[in-house]
Amino acid sequence: DTGVSQNPRHKITKRGQNVTFRCDPISEHNRLYWYRQTLGQGPEFLTYFQNEAQLEKSRLLSDRFSAERPKGSFSTLEIQRTEQGDSAMYLCASSFGQGVDNEQYFGPGTRLTVT
Amino acid sequence: GQSLEQPSEVTAVEGAIVQINCTYQTSGFYGLSWYQQHDGGAPTFLSYNALDGLEETGRFSSFLSRSDSYGYLLLQELQMKDSASYFCAVRFTSGGYQKVTFGTGTKLQVIP
Repeated sequence: DTGVSQNPRHKITKRGQNVTFRCDPISEHNRLYWYRQTLGQGPEFLTYFQNEAQLEKSRLLSDRFSAERPKGSFSTLEIQRTEQGDSAMYLCASSFGQGVDNEQYFGPGTRLTVT
Repeated sequence: GQSLEQPSEVTAVEGAIVQINCTYQTSGFYGLSWYQQHDGGAPTFLSYNALDGLEETGRFSSFLSRSDSYGYLLLQELQMKDSASYFCAVRFTSGGYQKVTFGTGTKLQVIP
């Protein structure tokens, strides 16, 4: 297993454009998380899935953001009508657990720059 | 809501011991995790405490006191490669779901 992968690694887009990021978790992991991280800050929780069900969505996530995890495997995060404030590193993590899980494996992230 | 406090920066000498503290406020507390992140890299899991006491993993140890809402990460025999940011993260339940909140991180600089 090669770990969590994310694509693309970098994305530069103009304000107002839509962008989509992909995350491929570790294959046996049933949970998948999306975070946003800006310089000097910790990861901010955005949303998470257990299998294909989106169980929680942060209030930070405006209606311009949507995430999917069809078939409980890879996930996509789409940002519509991007704004300069969306510039950040978008991290995906996965874990395995039925109850309380404690270890998340992070991907390398997608760095988004909105110009 | 949840809040976590940890020092923003710590400097320590190679070979020494350093302790990074984390205090938190949250309801539905489950446990406290620690992650390491090198510049430009992804966070990597170091340890998790759900019960009071000390957990040791090699050169790293983590402590939790639930009654004090306090934990720390202890790094021994510091090496230059330990220079990184260290995040504490609380796991809690809210609305029937598990959630996690990360602190703002402590940047550790190890000097020769």
